[in-house]
Amino acid sequence: GAVVSQHPSWVICKSGTSVKIECRSLDFQATTMFWYRQFPKQSLMLMATSNEGSKATYEQGVEKDKFLINHASLTLSTLTVTSAHPEDSSFYICSAPDRLYGYTFGSGTRLTVV
Amino acid sequence: AQTVTQSQPEMSVQEAETVTLSCTYDTSESDYYLFWYKQPPSRQMILVIRQEAYKQQNATENRFSVNFQKAAKSFSLKISDSQLGDAAMYFCAYRTRNSGNTPLVFGKGTRLSVIA
Repeated sequence: GAVVSQHPSWVICKSGTSVKIECRSLDFQATTMFWYRQFPKQSLMLMATSNEGSKATYEQGVEKDKFLINHASLTLSTLTVTSAHPEDSSFYICSAPDRLYGYTFGSGTRLTVV
Repeated sequence: AQTVTQSQPEMSVQEAETVTLSCTYDTSESDYYLFWYKQPPSRQMILVIRQEAYKQQNATENRFSVNFQKAAKSFSLKISDSQLGDAAMYFCAYRTRNSGNTPLVFGKGTRLSVIA
């Protein structure tokens, strides 16, 4: 079946540094990638939608300068958290529509900013 | 805009028993997809079951089945013969069918505990 590989699964960084999260579609072409943020015991909150070769679309309230999304190829989308602060600590998940009408999720990245 | 409501923040069930998780949604569209996802402690999102709105027959996947009531905009999940491995967060989700690649709209989730 369709697989989205997400890395890293866990990262700790110092406040003020940047962190890049990668999502790769392994056996299908992901023209679109959705990026979600999930706080403990809460639902997934859509942050942005990236489309290959074009600018990402951000949801209201999401700072596009802080959460840089790049979708340079049909198999790779990246989310960079710039100048990270403790309030950016969260669980980030990517998801791509697969061949049928389903969605494949990455395994998530737990970001801790200290 | 579409919304998905899960009114049960937490549920519990005895092992081998049956439990039903509720989900209602609001939409003005006639054609769409509905999903139930499971998120275990690993936090990997796992598709449990999917329903196309144009299909009247309720979807089933082994011990999992849904009761899809389109007029009432209700989409409940029934888990039969509950197992310890069923303990997880369960999210109900909606997706429009009409346009290209659109994101899922999630409910707030129901945390299911299975008691041995």
